[in-house]
Amino acid sequence: AQKITQTQPGMFVQEKEAVTLDCTYDTSDQSYGLFWYKQPSSGEMIFLIYQGSYDEQNATEGRYSLNFQKARKSANLVISASQLGDSAMYFCAMREPYSGAGSYQLTFGKGTKLSVIP
Amino acid sequence: ETGVTQTPRHLVMGMTNKKSLKCEQHLGHNAMYWYKQSAKKPLELMFVYNFKEQTENNSVPSRFSPECPNSSHLFLHLHTLQPEDSALYLCASSPQGGGASNSPLHFGNGTRLTVT
Repeated sequence: AQKITQTQPGMFVQEKEAVTLDCTYDTSDQSYGLFWYKQPSSGEMIFLIYQGSYDEQNATEGRYSLNFQKARKSANLVISASQLGDSAMYFCAMREPYSGAGSYQLTFGKGTKLSVIP
Repeated sequence: ETGVTQTPRHLVMGMTNKKSLKCEQHLGHNAMYWYKQSAKKPLELMFVYNFKEQTENNSVPSRFSPECPNSSHLFLHLHTLQPEDSALYLCASSPQGGGASNSPLHFGNGTRLTVT
């Protein structure tokens, strides 16, 4: 079963406007982490923001904020004041609980392609 | 210098060729990962190494062979690949034991592989 769902294959936003990228997740664990990554056409995955399942406040990092609704299992990314350089693929990911094997796994969604229009 | 470096950036190979992808991290991390990114599919975890020991093999075909000689270097050896193996291969690293719960994976730029 798909654990991370991003329902918007593509989104358009006017420069300087705000945009929300949707992400829902499925887990029965109480402890988990949610990440958002940006992937420009260059290919590199750039970490944007993190939200822990026990965090009571929504995470914010500069122009990025995460609208975390635990009961709905959603973790939407909000980008304020969009810039042309924000055009990229955006991936939501969930961290599985620590397995004790000394590493952890991130499960990714299919991504949303954001295009910022001048 | 970027934290995680992958070479080559692009690779075209025939189905009978043998090639290797290289990943190097300069972040002092002890866990390294290979992910495969195909068009219109989520990133797929392939292999995980922690302190040079393989801890995950996500049902990857044997034509992909990983090697981790030390905590800073990770290789992916390729042989007799199929056209459907064409994809972007991403390397990532993370701190010891996964680090704090909010520690992100640090990714390289990826190797764009085309199998002809």
